[in-house]
Amino acid sequence: GAGVSQSPRYKVAKRGQDVALRCDPISGHVSLFWYQQALGQGPEFLTYFQNEAQLDKSGLPSDRFFAERPEGSVSTLKIQRTQQEDSAVYLCASSLGPGGGYTFGSGTRLTVV
Amino acid sequence: DQQVKQNSPSLSVQEGRISILNCDYTNSMFDYFLWYKKYPAEGPTFLISISSIKDKNEDGRFTVFLNKSAKHLSLHIVPSQPGDSAVYFCAASGNTPLVFGKGTRLSVIA
Repeated sequence: GAGVSQSPRYKVAKRGQDVALRCDPISGHVSLFWYQQALGQGPEFLTYFQNEAQLDKSGLPSDRFFAERPEGSVSTLKIQRTQQEDSAVYLCASSLGPGGGYTFGSGTRLTVV
Repeated sequence: DQQVKQNSPSLSVQEGRISILNCDYTNSMFDYFLWYKKYPAEGPTFLISISSIKDKNEDGRFTVFLNKSAKHLSLHIVPSQPGDSAVYFCAASGNTPLVFGKGTRLSVIA
């Protein structure tokens, strides 16, 4: 597609449930980023892939968060045993390289109840 | 510790006037700065950027100014239009993933 596609757009999870969020980047974009945006805050970095290699996962808040990009294209962010503090918009972005402007998807709004 | 700070959560401007959004940063390793615009229920969209080797970059109604000694940048929008009403994020990079500020909500009043 022409842009970065994220699914689902909205997800409601019961506390303790596992969730998987999908990101389909722009074709040919080598770099892929996940950000978490809490209400009233700016996007906070979670993790970064260059092709299939996860080069930086320093922003993942706990070991309940896991991301993968096995074939260097689609990426999945998995959150295990969700907690209320995980409620946020999860944004995926891709770019041709690690620097420069990113193209963001519309995000997945996760609500943990 | 916030490396990129946008100290004004909101700003209201009359249509046709200039909007000035400010951003401060603390990390002297940052060498590339960007502004993103965000509408509700959409992802941020890239607006304009500036490299640390420049002090000004202009694109139509949008101009970004960089003052490296003060670690300060600003976005000027002139003339402001109602369609400019959105949240504006300042972001910075030093060969690292982008670091964002908390955003400033701009309201342009007709």
